[in-house]
Amino acid sequence: AQTVTQSQPEMSVQEAETVTLSCTYDTSESDYYLFWYKQPPSRQMILVIRQEAYKQQNATENRFSVNFQKAAKSFSLKISDSQLGDAAMYFCAYRSYFLSSGSARQLTFGSGTQLTVLP
Amino acid sequence: KAGVTQTPRYLIKTRGQQVTLSCSPISGHRSVSWYQQTPGQGLQFLFEYFSETQRNKGNFPGRFSGRQFSNSRSEMNVSTLELGDSALYLCASSSGGNPQETQYFGPGTRLLVL
Repeated sequence: AQTVTQSQPEMSVQEAETVTLSCTYDTSESDYYLFWYKQPPSRQMILVIRQEAYKQQNATENRFSVNFQKAAKSFSLKISDSQLGDAAMYFCAYRSYFLSSGSARQLTFGSGTQLTVLP
Repeated sequence: KAGVTQTPRYLIKTRGQQVTLSCSPISGHRSVSWYQQTPGQGLQFLFEYFSETQRNKGNFPGRFSGRQFSNSRSEMNVSTLELGDSALYLCASSSGGNPQETQYFGPGTRLLVL
């Protein structure tokens, strides 16, 4: 079974600064998808960014980028030019690539990192 | 396009009762997944439905059940409620439930069991 670990329960960043959230995962599979989801106080889970494991290039979405280290099984999220609206709980998630895998039709989440943005 | 909707948004029940939660996926989406979110256990997968069939199930007791209708709307039912069932229940939809697809989440239903 796959596991996802987020070792930082809480992080804070000054507005306009850069912050990096860490995520590691454990899997024996060679291909999979990794995601970062954001859950603001409204509780609605919003996709921030996704990475396909078979792609070497790190994904980028505007101010959000990832550092994907497949060999190290590490998937960190970098938020540049932090804004007050970035304050939320951030979840790292894993999904198998292969339909034959029991985890292909579900997301496995980490425990989350609560990000506070200081004005 | 309207997003995923869940009803009700808040619910208070007492131990031993049963509850039914509803999820309407994004138009055209045929896969609906359910997740339970608690402070202690985090986000855990309950089950996934596609074309009215349950394709995948998480590690939850039989008190948790679900179904999907022909219009892809889904319901989940919890019978004989326990205090530990207090949680935020999230549903997510995707086109076909395939791994490469993004899952879009609803706002959740907050269930409190007294």
